[in-house]
Amino acid sequence: TQLLEQSPQFLSIQEGENLTVYCNSSSVFSSLQWYRQEPGEGPVLLVTVVTGGEVKKLKRLTFQFGDARKDSSLHITAAQPGDTGLYLCAGPAAGGTSYGKLTFGQGTILTVHP
Amino acid sequence: EAQVTQNPRYLITVTGKKLTVTCSQNMNHEYMSWYRQDPGLGLRQIYYSMNVEVTDKGDVPEGYKVSRKEKRNFPLILESPSPNQTSLYFCASSSGRLYEQYFGPGTRLTVT
Repeated sequence: TQLLEQSPQFLSIQEGENLTVYCNSSSVFSSLQWYRQEPGEGPVLLVTVVTGGEVKKLKRLTFQFGDARKDSSLHITAAQPGDTGLYLCAGPAAGGTSYGKLTFGQGTILTVHP
Repeated sequence: EAQVTQNPRYLITVTGKKLTVTCSQNMNHEYMSWYRQDPGLGLRQIYYSMNVEVTDKGDVPEGYKVSRKEKRNFPLILESPSPNQTSLYFCASSSGRLYEQYFGPGTRLTVT
């Protein structure tokens, strides 16, 4: 079973600060996804990174896929209260008999205080 | 509007009373999946389906059943619910090879 470890589990910061969330594994993933979930709702896809070393930007959010495709990071610049939520990374199994299985990290709860 | 719907949204039941949570998507997606979400454990996959009549176990399939008789529907069945199945359940669908998930709004199940 492929595992994804996210850190930190909890992050409480002031508006305007920068932060980074990490998603690590000992396994290689063909791609990694990042989701954001708000209370009472289902997760919503933010981005998918596919190529080792890839960097994708979504306004103030920067996503990076590690060169070896075993890790990813999410960096938020000048965080705002609207960024508050649960951030999840996820990746599909490598294939073979597990084709279609998806593994999620345990999540990072981000709170941005005004 | 493209969406995944789940019903019911909230359910309180007793141990052993069979229940079904329905899931439907209107995006013509081939792939559908069920997850449970518990504090500190993230999302764990229960079952998934690559297409009609094709289902496979995820990481936590014990105590659950699924069926995929139509492309749009993927119900989750708990034949004999137990308190350790109290959780928040999400259905999701996906269209492509990257398995990017579109999630439903969730069903909060309490088994007493």
